[in-house]
Amino acid sequence: EVQLVQSGAEVKKPGQSLKISCKSSGYTFGTYWIGWVRQMPGKGLEWMGIIYPDDSDTRYSPSFQGQVTISADKSITTAYLYWSSLKASDTAMYYCARHTIRADAFDIWGQGTVVTVSS
Amino acid sequence: DIQMTQSPSSLSASVGDRVTISCRASQSISTYLNWYQQKPGRAPKLLLYAASSLQSGVPSRFSGSGSGTDFTLTISSLQSEDFATYYCQQSYRTSTWTFGQGTKVEIK
Repeated sequence: EVQLVQSGAEVKKPGQSLKISCKSSGYTFGTYWIGWVRQMPGKGLEWMGIIYPDDSDTRYSPSFQGQVTISADKSITTAYLYWSSLKASDTAMYYCARHTIRADAFDIWGQGTVVTVSS
Repeated sequence: DIQMTQSPSSLSASVGDRVTISCRASQSISTYLNWYQQKPGRAPKLLLYAASSLQSGVPSRFSGSGSGTDFTLTISSLQSEDFATYYCQQSYRTSTWTFGQGTKVEIK
């Protein structure tokens, strides 16, 4: 079964760093782009960025460029989303999703990771 | 950036109703348009891609149409499990997939 399993909920203070993960299984990890999507409480979906694990080619939405870092480790078929200094406004649900070229769409989604940033 | 605008933002409907949701792009995107369904507390699910192609496993009561700037998602006969929020997403600009603001379908 193709699936993406994300790391658990996080509670952090402003200024702290955080890396959340997205573990893939059931397909060839390196040959599909993996994207990250933010959903703030009660709001819609925002595409943050995407990585091609085979060569680590990474693209960011202008809104998130410089705010987060996306990476991947092919050896353990895992993608990551990293903040060096969290803000309260980073409080949200974060989803990873697999992009399929066949549909040019995100066909498999992780279950989401809730990040709460509060002093 | 390509902006995606959905209408309405929410609607109330009954089981068995025909429901139509619109999505407009700020510039022509050909048929590079996808639709997702999100239920409360769940991850989004891909319903349709390339404006009108049904994703595997999605019921045939869902259909999509449109090209250029105007697109439509239609649910031919609303079922109880279809109450959810629906998002359109453009894939015209490589590596910049933007979503519409969502349309919430509620029970009347």
